[in-house]
Amino acid sequence: EDQVTQSPEALRLQEGESSSLNCSYTVSGLRGLFWYRQDPGKGPEFLFTLYSAGEEKEKERLKATLTKKESFLHITAPKPEDSATYLCAVQARAGGTSYGKLTFGQGTILTVHP
Amino acid sequence: DGGITQSPKYLFRKEGQNVTLSCEQNLNHDAMYWYRQDPGQGLRLIYYSQIVNDFQKGDIAEGYSVSREKKESFPLTVTSAQKNPTAFYLCASRGGGTDTQYFGPGTRLTVL
Repeated sequence: EDQVTQSPEALRLQEGESSSLNCSYTVSGLRGLFWYRQDPGKGPEFLFTLYSAGEEKEKERLKATLTKKESFLHITAPKPEDSATYLCAVQARAGGTSYGKLTFGQGTILTVHP
Repeated sequence: DGGITQSPKYLFRKEGQNVTLSCEQNLNHDAMYWYRQDPGQGLRLIYYSQIVNDFQKGDIAEGYSVSREKKESFPLTVTSAQKNPTAFYLCASRGGGTDTQYFGPGTRLTVL
């Protein structure tokens, strides 16, 4: 069974204090790992897709990295507007095809104080 | 603007009633999904559809039903058989040859 665990559950930072969020996963053949941002009462907003170990992607103050067992979302010099819940999800290969099922972690709630 | 719309934003249901949540997309995506989100838990898959007139159960389909008569629309019915329907419901779609799922704004369902 595919599993995704995110840590910490909650993270409080001061503005400008860089840190990392962790996503550990077990999956029977990784097709892709996804990061989303979710604001309270809204739907998740897509950030990144990572496909293979060693891959990195960046967007503004965010950088996502991938190893064979985990992914990190690095936040550099965060601002209060980066406060949100960050969700990690994995998609497994299934017999060479995939209907796109995502297995989600429970999320990390990030709060950035000014 | 291309995107996914869900309606209503808030929905209140009395026990024993069926309710239907709407999901529409104009992204020309083939695949559509319904997820349920509860506090402190990850999103869980209810139903998915890869093509018109075809859909499959996800991990928590009991007490729910769907239809896919049009490519653009994938409504979800929460039946009276669903024991604990109060939750945030999210619709997503995928297409264009990518693996990325894009989400709608969600519907918050509360059982009174």
